Amino acid sequence: NAGVTQTPKFRVLKTGQSMTLLCAQDMNHEYMYWYRQDPGMGLRLIHYSVGEGTTAKGEVPDGYNVSRLKKQNFLLGLESAAPSQTSVYFCASSPWDSGYEQYFGPGTRLTVT
Amino acid sequence: RKEVEQDPGPFNVPEGATVAFNCTYSNSASQSFFWYRQDCRKEPKLLMSVYSSGNEDGRFTAQLNRASQYISLLIRDSKLSDSATYLCVVTGRGISSGSARQLTFGSGTQLTVLP
Repeated sequence: NAGVTQTPKFRVLKTGQSMTLLCAQDMNHEYMYWYRQDPGMGLRLIHYSVGEGTTAKGEVPDGYNVSRLKKQNFLLGLESAAPSQTSVYFCASSPWDSGYEQYFGPGTRLTVT
Repeated sequence: RKEVEQDPGPFNVPEGATVAFNCTYSNSASQSFFWYRQDCRKEPKLLMSVYSSGNEDGRFTAQLNRASQYISLLIRDSKLSDSATYLCVVTGRGISSGSARQLTFGSGTQLTVLP
């Protein structure tokens, strides 16, 4: 099993550009999450999904959109990137019977100039 | 005030030393507590859960004091491979749908074990 994978691993964007980060998991987990991690701060939840076709806002959703058209995929979109969105983005998933242990992907390092 | 506060360190200790990390949390309604480990430029991984009765996993011991809203992690006989950032994690105020949970992460305590 690959677990949780993320693409791309690195990306540099100019202010105003858009992009989509892809997260895929092969563990048949119901729940998926997108976090961002910034220096000196803990991981913060951006959006999450409790099942295929459902999404909801987390702690810091502004400037991001998500979609979960298939159970195994969770997409994070930036419509108009800003320098404040420079961060490391982690996707995670957890099974239906335990939301506490979350399995993380390797992260995407995004720089917005 | 941050919901989960940790001493950022860094803690630099020699191999074989015992080191302790502390963490405080502000949400008295938090139900579950964990330590995650994050290696440099890698993803976080669950190290262990934390229970009121305390729990031990080999060289690692975790303690919870609900009255003081305080969590600790003790590492005995430190190894070079223990070098990492240790994240204190509690269940947060946000999602509670089915068994999905919002985890609130501390900013981490950096440990370097020196040869």
